[in-house]
Amino acid sequence: GDSVTQMEGPVTLSEEAFLTINCTYTATGYPSLFWYVQYPGEGLQLLLKATKADDKGSNKGFEATYRKETTSFHLEKGSVQVSDSAVYFCALSRGSSASKIIFGSGTRLSIRP
Amino acid sequence: GAVVSQHPSRVICKSGTSVKIECRSLDFQATTMFWYRQFPKQSLMLMATSNEGSKATYEQGVEKDKFLINHASLTLSTLTVTSAHPEDSSFYICSARDLPGLAGNHEQYFGPGTRLTVT
Repeated sequence: GDSVTQMEGPVTLSEEAFLTINCTYTATGYPSLFWYVQYPGEGLQLLLKATKADDKGSNKGFEATYRKETTSFHLEKGSVQVSDSAVYFCALSRGSSASKIIFGSGTRLSIRP
Repeated sequence: GAVVSQHPSRVICKSGTSVKIECRSLDFQATTMFWYRQFPKQSLMLMATSNEGSKATYEQGVEKDKFLINHASLTLSTLTVTSAHPEDSSFYICSARDLPGLAGNHEQYFGPGTRLTVT
């Protein structure tokens, strides 16, 4: 069945460092791909999404490109801030973000000032 | 933005008792709500899909008699863990899907989760 694998955390970086969180998926066809973020004490929020191959999702300086050939959707940010400290979840869905979602295990990111 | 709340945020109960968790959409109506369970360092696992006014649809392997779901209104769904046991200890997260907008799009909004500990 469909599944999502993402790099284990925690990931600790200094402010202004470059961030990559790897995510790969297993699914037939062309699922929609998402990154969700969970800040401390809050619910998951949709960070960005891509619905077809080669699409790039972007938001708040974060980017991820839907790579069908490598079944990947890695999250990147050029210069992280302390406020980016959170747990990040890679996910996929057969429909939109309103449909049944399959999540990765989450990666905790901590940014040092 | 749309907000989903859960109550309680944390609950500790004795083995054999039942616990009810509420999920509310605060500023929008939700015909569909989802209930997820998360074990430490693991993915969120979808337990069931709750539709207002009808029976919930449970994922394979989830006991419907143990995890009772009621979606009685467009803003409230409840999950009751019946005869709880220590293995039911987990983080339970709900999400709510809003009604389609002008473009026909939905979004799914997540609650902050409820930590259940069964002693």
